[in-house]
Amino acid sequence: AQKITQTQPGMFVQEKEAVTLDCTYDTSDPSYGLFWYKQPSSGEMIFLIYQGSYDQQNATEGRYSLNFQKARKSANLVISASQLGDSAMYFCAMREGGEKLIFGQGTELSVKP
Amino acid sequence: NAGVTQTPKFQVLKTGQSMTLQCAQDMNHNSMYWYRQDPGMGLRLIYYSASEGTTDKGEVPNGYNVSRLNKREFSLRLESAAPSQTSVYFCASSEAHGRLAKNIQYFGAGTRLSVL
Repeated sequence: AQKITQTQPGMFVQEKEAVTLDCTYDTSDPSYGLFWYKQPSSGEMIFLIYQGSYDQQNATEGRYSLNFQKARKSANLVISASQLGDSAMYFCAMREGGEKLIFGQGTELSVKP
Repeated sequence: NAGVTQTPKFQVLKTGQSMTLQCAQDMNHNSMYWYRQDPGMGLRLIYYSASEGTTDKGEVPNGYNVSRLNKREFSLRLESAAPSQTSVYFCASSEAHGRLAKNIQYFGAGTRLSVL
């Protein structure tokens, strides 16, 4: 069974609009962390945002926020005021207890001018 | 601040050849990782090292060996390359301060490897 599921292979958004990228996860470990990474066409992996399983509030980092719904096991990334430079692959990842990350298959976001 | 540095950036091998991918980090991180990324897939963990002198298998370790040379350096070796090992390889590092810590992994720029 997939531990991290990203159901949107590709998404389009108009510049300056907000977009939500979906991520659901599966774990029985009460201690886990959820991460989002951005991979632009140049190929590097850029850390965006982190949410711990015990965090009471949704994480925010500038224009990025994480909509954490623990009961639904979802950790959706919200990008506000999209910019052309946001066009990239976005990966959701989960760390269960220890250190290893499990990645989803990614969502390709295209921002239209 | 260099962060995580991988060499080489590109490599073409023939089936059966061997090579070592190098990785170094300057963030004084305890843990280091090697991943591979295949088209249409997320990253998959090959091996990781929680501290100097220790290594553990990840999800896809077959055909690879690793060496944690010191706290800074973690190398990945392909002893006899196969076409199935054509991929993009990423090295990462993290502070790794326990189960409840963030343990954010920071990645190198990747190595594009083709095995013919």
